[in-house]
Parts: sequence; C-alpha cells; structure tokens
Amino acid sequence: KNEVEQSPQNLTAQEGEFITINCSYSVGISALHWLQQHPGGGIVSLFMLSSGKKKHGRLIATINIQEKHSSLHITASHPRDSAVYICAAYSGGGADGLTFGKGTHLIIQP
Amino acid sequence: DAEITQSPRHKITETGRQVTLACHQTWNHNNMFWYRQDLGHGLRLIHYSYGVQDTNKGEVSDGYSVSRSNTEDLPLTLESAASSQTSVYFCASSGQGEGIQYFGAGTRLSVL
Repeated sequence: KNEVEQSPQNLTAQEGEFITINCSYSVGISALHWLQQHPGGGIVSLFMLSSGKKKHGRLIATINIQEKHSSLHITASHPRDSAVYICAAYSGGGADGLTFGKGTHLIIQP
Repeated sequence: DAEITQSPRHKITETGRQVTLACHQTWNHNNMFWYRQDLGHGLRLIHYSYGVQDTNKGEVSDGYSVSRSNTEDLPLTLESAASSQTSVYFCASSGQGEGIQYFGAGTRLSVL
C-alpha cells in the first residue's frame, strides 16, 4: 500500500506570501491528485497530474516522478485560500489504489 | 449543472440502529465511492462501485454495505451503528477509475 505523507501539517502565513505544500509517496504512481477542502467541509478537486507541471490561476502543481514527490504552490496568497489541501496518489488497481494524505491545514492571515 | 448530493447533512443515531446515508449524482458517472474522514487519518475508502449491480469493498468496509440499483444512487448502510462509526462520510463519483472525483458535501454522523 502506498504511504502518502504531506508537509507541513499546519501552515499559517500572511496575505501575499508564496505558499508551498509538499507531498511524498512511497510507491510509483500513475496519477497524483490535489484537492481542496473548504472550512465548511466541501472537497473540490484542483489538479490531477502524472508528470511535469500544471497551473490554474494562482495555483501551480508540480510532480517529480523519480523523486516520488509533488508540490502545490500558491502565489500571492489570499485569506480565501485558507483551507485544507489534500494530496492523493493513484498507484493502479482500481479504487483501492488511491491513497490520500492527511492534509495540510493552511491559514492565510490578512 | 451536474452535481452530487448527500443526505442527510447531519445525523445523530444510537448504537445498534440501522442507518442509511444517501448519495445521488447527476454526472452520469459509472464510478461511485464512499469514504470516511476522521482526525488523524486521510480519507479512507469504505465501498465503491463501477456500475449498476457492481459493488466492492474498500479498506474499511466492516459494518457497512452498499447497493447499486441504478447509475445515479449509491446508498451506504450501517447495519448496526457503532460509536466507532462516528465520522464524516463523503460520497464521490468519477468518469474514470483514476480520474478526477467529484465529491458531495459530506454527512456528519454521530453514533451515541
């Protein structure tokens, strides 16, 4: 079973700062997901990537397959970015092959 | 717009009672999933389905069951609720096995 570790567990930053959240996994994967869980509890998929980099607005996700590591970056952070960010690694074999990290709780202070 | 809805949003029940949580999606997705979320754990898979009449056990399936009689619905049943099943439950659906999943808003269940 894949082990997915996220760091940091908690992060508090000031508005405007550049944010980096890290995700490492133990077993080779075919896809890596980043999700956002709002303070109200809803979960939204941000990215799915298998190589390189993806960008959506102020969010950038990168993955290094050889290093078994992915990062989520937020540029020009804003209080509305405050949420729990979850990575999930898919290593094949159907639904059982998706392993979720415990999440990074991000707070952006104005 | 397509969506995935869960009901109820909050539920309090007593140990030993049977409880059913509803999940309905209008994405026309074949794949549907049930997860539980607890402090100190990532989302953990309870049951999943790849289509009508198909159901499969996930990592933490003991004490839970699902049935899939149509594409839109995957109800989750707790046969005899236990305090260890107090959790937040999320339903999700996807068009592909490893593809992007669309999540419901969650059901917070308390078993007293």
